[in-house]
Amino acid sequence: DSGVTQTPKHLITATGQRVTLRCSPRSGDLSVYWYQQSLDQGLQFLIQYYNGEERAKGNILERFSAQQFPDLHSELNLSSLELGDSALYFCASSPSWSNTGELFFGEGSRLTVL
Amino acid sequence: AQSVTQLGSHVSVSEGALVLLRCNYSSSVPPYLFWYVQYPNQGLQLLLKYTSAATLVKGINGFEAEFKKSETSFHLTKPSAHMSDAAEYFCAVSALSGGYQKVTFGTGTKLQVIP
Repeated sequence: DSGVTQTPKHLITATGQRVTLRCSPRSGDLSVYWYQQSLDQGLQFLIQYYNGEERAKGNILERFSAQQFPDLHSELNLSSLELGDSALYFCASSPSWSNTGELFFGEGSRLTVL
Repeated sequence: AQSVTQLGSHVSVSEGALVLLRCNYSSSVPPYLFWYVQYPNQGLQLLLKYTSAATLVKGINGFEAEFKKSETSFHLTKPSAHMSDAAEYFCAVSALSGGYQKVTFGTGTKLQVIP
């Protein structure tokens, strides 16, 4: 158990819909990262937050948005869903005491868009 | 700029044989290097990390990796493969970029262990 909690574990929805994925980082970790893993694209970095502020942005579509709340949990919002958005979405957190970039991953949220 | 290249998206070894998964990196500043393992239907978990101390790093489950600066490599090895080692392995590089630690993952190598 990494200490990173993601909900829901599985989600099935239709094209055009909107979903919200939630992540609770390890206790004390200030940084939250979101990744998308699909068969054809591999592990893609989406976005990083540090203590509520956006720190870095990767290959995140404009239809996707995220935020980190004062209690440090984060949500990834995916809207106008397309078939190609079907993927595993991972959240990871990194220790505040470490500057190495070591990440602790949740078990992921599997999104299926029909 | 930084990047990671993992040679071989699929590697097959016999049970008991040497495991060698290759990783080469590119970084303009001294990097930290990691190997993560992902078992089916699970998240990634840290296998081992290089943080500029010893160049030969030992990790969990008998894996080790050697940082070779001259070759910009961080290959993962295990002397004797076990069936439970079947998983996907990701190499990652982390380096300071724009004031924060940027983490870049390779495309992953799926390890198959043949009984």
